Amino acid sequence: GQNIDQPTEMTATEGAIVQINCTYQTSGFNGLFWYQQHAGEAPTFLSYNVLDGLEEKGRFSSFLSRSKGYSYLLLKELQMKDSASYLCAGPSLNSNSGYALNFGKGTSLLVTP
Amino acid sequence: DAGVTQSPTHLIKTRGQHVTLRCSPISGHKSVSWYQQVLGQGPQFIFQYYEKEERGRGNFPDRFSARQFPNYSSELNVNALLLGDSALYLCASSTENTEAFFGQGTRLTVV
Repeated sequence: GQNIDQPTEMTATEGAIVQINCTYQTSGFNGLFWYQQHAGEAPTFLSYNVLDGLEEKGRFSSFLSRSKGYSYLLLKELQMKDSASYLCAGPSLNSNSGYALNFGKGTSLLVTP
Repeated sequence: DAGVTQSPTHLIKTRGQHVTLRCSPISGHKSVSWYQQVLGQGPQFIFQYYEKEERGRGNFPDRFSARQFPNYSSELNVNALLLGDSALYLCASSTENTEAFFGQGTRLTVV
């Protein structure tokens, strides 16, 4: 499987921009997922990158560099509700059978007033 | 449309007991995966089932087993419970080449 590495904790101010980095082993690469998980809740899908570059989706953007084994999640115009754990995950794709995800430990983001 | 549903939501068991957790996937999803999430960590992959067959297994002991039924619902069984099995157990469903959708999880406490 892939080793997924991301920072444990980050703090940012309401209204600011924050970038959460994720590095992974490039062997067996099948794309990279980002999930958001609020305390006590299920992870919810944010983005999936399989090609290099930046994909923007509202206030959230995700970037991928396959050659560097690097991804980041960019959150703009931070809101208090963005305080959550952000999980980077690499899928193991079994043909026609869906994904099994290898998650990092998650980055706990605290947004302060 | 109903999302992924799991039952029960909370459960308390004593060491040595066994437990069965249940999951109903999103309608039309044929793949179900199980994850264990210990507090402060990311989810760890346990099993993946597709069309009632095991397609993937994580690094968990044989005390953990699962199955998928003809209606694509799934059960996760854990025997001889240990204190360290206390965790949030997440079920996720997906179809071909789409993201996984997670249920709310079952919070298992072993005392």
